[in-house]
Amino acid sequence: QSVLTQPPSVSGAPGQRVTISCTGSSSNIGAGYGVHWYQQLPGTGPKLLINGNTNRPSGVSARFSGSKSGTSASLAITGLQAEDEADYYCQSYESSRSGPHVVFGGGTKVTVL
Amino acid sequence: EVQLVESGGGLVQPGGSLRLSCAASGITLTTYWMHWVRQETGKGLVWVSRIKSDETMTMYADSVKGRFTISRDNVENTLFLQMNSLRVEDTAIYYCAITLSASWYGPLDSWGQGTVVTVSS
Repeated sequence: QSVLTQPPSVSGAPGQRVTISCTGSSSNIGAGYGVHWYQQLPGTGPKLLINGNTNRPSGVSARFSGSKSGTSASLAITGLQAEDEADYYCQSYESSRSGPHVVFGGGTKVTVL
Repeated sequence: EVQLVESGGGLVQPGGSLRLSCAASGITLTTYWMHWVRQETGKGLVWVSRIKSDETMTMYADSVKGRFTISRDNVENTLFLQMNSLRVEDTAIYYCAITLSASWYGPLDSWGQGTVVTVSS
């Protein structure tokens, strides 16, 4: 069971907008740690999509955007395209006795109808 | 451009050991946190371990603590994961990743393509 909770799947028609939620707690997202998002295409390693809640790395399409509020975060994909079909993961940090650990969501599969 | 290439995966019996390597190019590792993350077939990403740029701090997931050891060679630009007392449930693709800032809480900016570890008798 993942520390951060994501819906297992979302779907949308080409051109539509979809959102993926990421719910944490006061020990991770709610503690002020940033939320980062990754896209994983089949058979490949993950790729950073959003960092620090809302920032897009160079080269990432403006169709992807992130937000954070309280103990949750969201990833929005606008103008959905066939190439967006992939798994998406949120990630943050959580305090532990040995220092802040990396925590992931369980992943959300995006299907383009 | 940063490139990370993992190696060292393979088939090992339960109780056995493996040493994974991650060679970096296009960057000098001396400033950055590095991580190991694993993924079972068809499942999600699970963080395994991370190590500070100067090796003064290492952290582990509870599931591998005491069995796995992360280390790095900043001269050779390489990250390692020594895996001992391997269990069937350690079977996964193992990815190395790097945080391209000195931040303790930064994203995993760049990832390798992974190396497959299979623990089976």
